[in-house]
Amino acid sequence: SQTIHQWPATLVQPVGSPLSLECTVEGTSNPNLYWYRQAAGRGLQLLFYSVGIGQISSEVPQNLSASRPQDRQFILSSKKLLLSDSGFYLCAWSARSTGRATNYGYTFGSGTRLTVV
Amino acid sequence: KNQVEQSPQSLIILEGKNCTLQCNYTVSPFSNLRWYKQDTGRGPVSLTIMTFSENTKSNGRYTATLDADTKQSSLHITASQLSDSASYICVVSGGDSSYKLIFGSGTRLLVRP
Repeated sequence: SQTIHQWPATLVQPVGSPLSLECTVEGTSNPNLYWYRQAAGRGLQLLFYSVGIGQISSEVPQNLSASRPQDRQFILSSKKLLLSDSGFYLCAWSARSTGRATNYGYTFGSGTRLTVV
Repeated sequence: KNQVEQSPQSLIILEGKNCTLQCNYTVSPFSNLRWYKQDTGRGPVSLTIMTFSENTKSNGRYTATLDADTKQSSLHITASQLSDSASYICVVSGGDSSYKLIFGSGTRLLVRP
């Protein structure tokens, strides 16, 4: 069965420090991978998605970047954190498809609570 | 503009009672609609997923309905339990990219004993 792992679960970082959140998927190949952020009491906002190794699409301009060094590994990074980067970060994966499929398996990780102080 | 709106924003019910959460969307073209349950501090967990041709789908005490003509969906929870306290998120797939999901802001449900 497929599983998605995301770590760490919680993180407190000072302003200006670097960030690296990691997400890995097991039990599948060629997944689509996603990073979301959820501000308190708000809906999920798509930050990045990737359809393959080294292929990253950014949805919103921001202080963060993403990388996909391996097929099932997705990393969210920042060189210098801002207070506004605080939030709940979620990694997700879905099955790769071509065209407009009507039914994706779309699974979220358990999330990382980031507090920038 | 592709949007998903949920109501109510929050809801408090007594244990054992039923409730219905609403979702309206303007996403076009439409691919599928999902309901997720998100416990505080956890990732969302899928409850149901429905395509254009499906009107209803159940998962235990959760029943989702979809009216693709009016672009409305509902999630009905029967005989609520304390563990049902969570945020329920309506998510629509489609729009200008089949990769992306459009999220509602969720309904926060609190079930009291």
